[in-house]
Amino acid sequence: GQNIDQPTEMTATEGAIVQINCTYQTSGFNGLFWYQQHAGEAPTFLSYNVLDGLEEKGRFSSFLSRSKGYSYLLLKELQMKDSASYLCASWVKAAGNKLTFGGGTRVLVKP
Amino acid sequence: DGGITQSPKYLFRKEGQNVTLSCEQNLNHDAMYWYRQDPGQGLRLIYYSQIVNDFQKGDIAEGYSVSREKKESFPLTVTSAQKNPTAFYLCASSNLGADTGELFFGEGSRLTVL
Repeated sequence: GQNIDQPTEMTATEGAIVQINCTYQTSGFNGLFWYQQHAGEAPTFLSYNVLDGLEEKGRFSSFLSRSKGYSYLLLKELQMKDSASYLCASWVKAAGNKLTFGGGTRVLVKP
Repeated sequence: DGGITQSPKYLFRKEGQNVTLSCEQNLNHDAMYWYRQDPGQGLRLIYYSQIVNDFQKGDIAEGYSVSREKKESFPLTVTSAQKNPTAFYLCASSNLGADTGELFFGEGSRLTVL
């Protein structure tokens, strides 16, 4: 199956930038998702990358390199409410349209 | 409003008891999924279904069972055979005809075994 790796935890200061890296296995890969999850809540969709390059959405951007099996999520102008877990997920359509999730990166934003 | 409804939100059970978690969606999605999440961990796939009356095991199906008698409904039973059932359970759905495999999640059910 897919192996998704991302750091366990990151800490940053309010107003700063944080980059969360994610590596995945490229076999059968169709696309890469990022979800945000606050403690005790369901994940919410942040971004989807299918082509190489950077997708920007306000303060959040996501990058994909298909050949390297690598993605990152960039959070700019950090706010306290950005303290959450960020889940990287690989989509393999041929394998039952499943998403395989990494362990999540817990981001703590300090004042 | 369209969405996914899970119930109950919190559930306590004694060891040796089966419990069923409900998941209903009115998004007209073909596929439905059950994930399990342990504290500080990512999501692990239990079962998924792409069509009515058919479902497949995910990565951690042992001790769980599902049914898909209606397109809108995908209940999960946590049986007494599941050794460590205390967890946060998330139901999700997706539209197989869409360009992406985006999952839409319910609010989750937190199961605690006493």
